[in-house]
Amino acid sequence: QKEVEQNSGPLSVPEGAIASLNCTYSDRGSQSFFWYRQYSGKSPELIMFIYSNGDKEDGRFTAQLNKASQYVSLLIRDSQPSDSATYLCAVKDGGFKTIFGAGTRLFVKA
Amino acid sequence: SQTIHQWPATLVQPVGSPLSLECTVEGTSNPNLYWYRQAAGRGLQLLFYSVGIGQISSEVPQNLSASRPQDRQFILSSKKLLLSDSGFYLCAWTKTGAQETQYFGPGTRLLVL
Repeated sequence: QKEVEQNSGPLSVPEGAIASLNCTYSDRGSQSFFWYRQYSGKSPELIMFIYSNGDKEDGRFTAQLNKASQYVSLLIRDSQPSDSATYLCAVKDGGFKTIFGAGTRLFVKA
Repeated sequence: SQTIHQWPATLVQPVGSPLSLECTVEGTSNPNLYWYRQAAGRGLQLLFYSVGIGQISSEVPQNLSASRPQDRQFILSSKKLLLSDSGFYLCAWTKTGAQETQYFGPGTRLLVL
């Protein structure tokens, strides 16, 4: 059974701080890695994807991938109250299916 | 650009009634299509996926079924709803390809009473 594990949180950070969200996955054959943000009552929206080891930056967001450790993380710099949401980590193995973690709830305090 | 639609947005149904949820994708052809359910405060549960017209793969045996009568149309159905069918139903699509990103529709919130 392929699994994606996330700490459910809530992770609480003050406004302006760096929020660090972590994810581990079980399948070493995983090829593609995604972070989604889901506001309460809304559908998930893609924030970033990463395919290669290392860091990928997009604005205030940085995704980090370490395939040897089977570990993906998302850093949010200068966190804003509008970043408060559930963040879903997702992994694809090259097949048709995407495996989602249960999500980490982030709360940014103003 | 591609757009994914779902309807209805909200639905309240009695136990034992039938269900039909519809999903359509615009702006692409031959997408892979997916149905997920998300119970309150929980993660995403993959219900069905389809790689082409009439091709349906079921992930979880239950009283739901799916059909894909057209390339960009995906339908989720039930003959008799259970209380446990309540949840947030999400349709998603990807382009064909191993690394393609999955994009979600706005979802249908179903409450079975």
